[in-house]
Amino acid sequence: QVTLKESGPVVVKPTETLTLTCTVSGFSLSNPRMGVSWIRQPPGKALEWLAHIFSDDEKSYSSPLESRLTISKDTSKSQVVLIMTNVNPLDTATYYCARIRQEFRVPAAVYKYFDPWGQGTPVTVSS
Amino acid sequence: DIQMTQSPSSLSASEGDRVTLTCRASQSIGTYLNWYQHKPGKAPKVLIYAASSFQRGVPPRFTGSGSGTHFTLTISGLQPEDFATYYCQQSHSAPYTFGQGTKLENK
Repeated sequence: QVTLKESGPVVVKPTETLTLTCTVSGFSLSNPRMGVSWIRQPPGKALEWLAHIFSDDEKSYSSPLESRLTISKDTSKSQVVLIMTNVNPLDTATYYCARIRQEFRVPAAVYKYFDPWGQGTPVTVSS
Repeated sequence: DIQMTQSPSSLSASEGDRVTLTCRASQSIGTYLNWYQHKPGKAPKVLIYAASSFQRGVPPRFTGSGSGTHFTLTISGLQPEDFATYYCQQSHSAPYTFGQGTKLENK
């Protein structure tokens, strides 16, 4: 069974650095067809994609947040870590990690989707 | 970045109804479009990927269609468990943006 579990601080002060960890089980981060994304949902708002990382270490970030985000993985620990610097109250949200599944179709299409997701971890930015 | 726009933002319907949710992309994304269902306090769940492919275990009353910039999710015969928020998301190119969601409410 594939599961993902997010962990991190519940409260962070403005200007501090937020470190979130996604621990996965049931699949390997070295599997070439897999990746992990981070997504968040501020209270009452929509889902917002933040970043992803694949087994070959390919990374991508949300354009508005790119300067503040760093994603990395530790395959031996089955963990993906997201670091967000200089947080502010607008970063208050539930943060999810999700496995990226890739389906390869001829001739050269690769369809990606998020499945499954973790339960999410709430983070409040407040002094 | 590709912008995704969903309509309506909310929809009131009754059990047994057939409803159609719409998602538009700011540029052509082929069929690189996914649909998710999200209930409060729960993890989002993928329903449809590649615009029209069913995820295993998803009831056949959920159908997706479209290509290019215009996509739809149709739910035929609403069940009580279908009242939730639905998001489209493009996987054509990073950043993999979501729409703002359609909240489906019980009339």
